[in-house]
Amino acid sequence: GAVVSQHPSRVICKSGTSVKIECRSLDFQATTMFWYRQFPKQSLMLMATSNEGSKATYEQGVEKDKFLINHASLTLSTLTVTSAHPEDSSFYICSARSPGTSVNNTQYFGPGTRLTVL
Amino acid sequence: AQTVTQSQPEMSVQEAETVTLSCTYDTSESDYYLFWYKQPPSRQMILVIRQEAYKQQNATENRFSVNFQKAAKSFSLKISDSQLGDAAMYFCAYRSPYSGGGADGLTFGKGTHLIIQP
Repeated sequence: GAVVSQHPSRVICKSGTSVKIECRSLDFQATTMFWYRQFPKQSLMLMATSNEGSKATYEQGVEKDKFLINHASLTLSTLTVTSAHPEDSSFYICSARSPGTSVNNTQYFGPGTRLTVL
Repeated sequence: AQTVTQSQPEMSVQEAETVTLSCTYDTSESDYYLFWYKQPPSRQMILVIRQEAYKQQNATENRFSVNFQKAAKSFSLKISDSQLGDAAMYFCAYRSPYSGGGADGLTFGKGTHLIIQP
């Protein structure tokens, strides 16, 4: 099956610093990737849709200047949390849509990144 | 906007028995896609089963099957012959048939924690 990786798996940073999270589709090309956020014991909330070669589409309430998304290639999307604060601490999960028409394709998820901001 | 509701925060079943997890959703779209994802303690999201709304036949994947009632906007998951490895959080998810602009990101329910008793 399709494999999606994320790096790092966990990161601890000081308040005010920026953190970059990478999402890679390992065995397929993904024109579209998605970034989700999951608070402890809660559901996944879509943050943004990342499209290769174009600007990301952010969900309502998500600050695009704080959560910078870059999708520079068909296998890599990055999420940068800028000037991180303790309230940004969360589990961030990416997914990549498999090739094919949007009708039939499936989203495959990465293993997630746990961000802790001190 | 679409909403997905899982009314059972936690369910418990004896090993080898059958359990049904409930999911209802609200949408004004006539065509869409529904999914059940499993999230074990590792936090990796795993696709369990998917259903296209235009298909009347309920999807089945080995021990997993769904009861899709389009008019009632209900999409329950039945797990037969429950195994210890089935213990996890189960999320019901909705996807619009449209693509672009974040439309094909997933909307998740709050999840059901499934406990398997040996």
